[in-house]
Amino acid sequence: QVQLQESGPGLVKPSQTLSLTCTVSGASINSGGFYWTWIRQPAGKGLEWIGRLFTTGSTNYNPSLKSRVTMSLDTSKSQFSLNLTSVAAADTAVYYCARLLFTFGGVPRYFDFWGQGILVTVSS
Amino acid sequence: DIQMTQSPSSLSASVGDRVTITCRASQTVLTYLNWYQQQPGKAPKVLMYAASTLQSGVPSRFSGSGSGTDFTLTISSLQPEDFATYYCQQSYTTPYTFGQGTKLEIK
Repeated sequence: QVQLQESGPGLVKPSQTLSLTCTVSGASINSGGFYWTWIRQPAGKGLEWIGRLFTTGSTNYNPSLKSRVTMSLDTSKSQFSLNLTSVAAADTAVYYCARLLFTFGGVPRYFDFWGQGILVTVSS
Repeated sequence: DIQMTQSPSSLSASVGDRVTITCRASQTVLTYLNWYQQQPGKAPKVLMYAASTLQSGVPSRFSGSGSGTDFTLTISSLQPEDFATYYCQQSYTTPYTFGQGTKLEIK
């Protein structure tokens, strides 16, 4: 069974960098046909896609966050990570890592496995 | 960005009812449309992908239809465990976007 687990600090000060790691088990992070993604959800609100990372290291980010986001892969540890710089209160949310099953040129493409989520609060 | 709009935003229904949730995209997403269910305090779980394909293990009372810009998720006979929030999501192009959610509550 594929499992994803987020880890990182639950509290980040304004203007600092939010850094999270997602550890993948039960699947190879090197497998083709998948992207590794981050999604966030402010309390009581909807879901926002942050970005995706392919096994080659190629990335795509949400333009709304692009200037502040970096994602990277550590295949030796079966982990991928998220860095979000210059955080503000609006970045307070539950952050999920998820696997995106991806078919090039067609369907299906959907988030098939998710982590449990980690609440990150931005506050001084 | 492609905007996804769900209706209704909330819905009260009873066990055994048939309910339909609608999702409209601001431009065509062909059939790159997925549905997720989220229970309180939990991660979303995929119910339907490619507009009308039931994810393995999901009960057959769930069904989906549509293509282009208009999609529906139908639950044929509500069960107690179905009371949750439902999201549509387009995977046609990045940035991937979600609907605002439909909260299904017990009447």
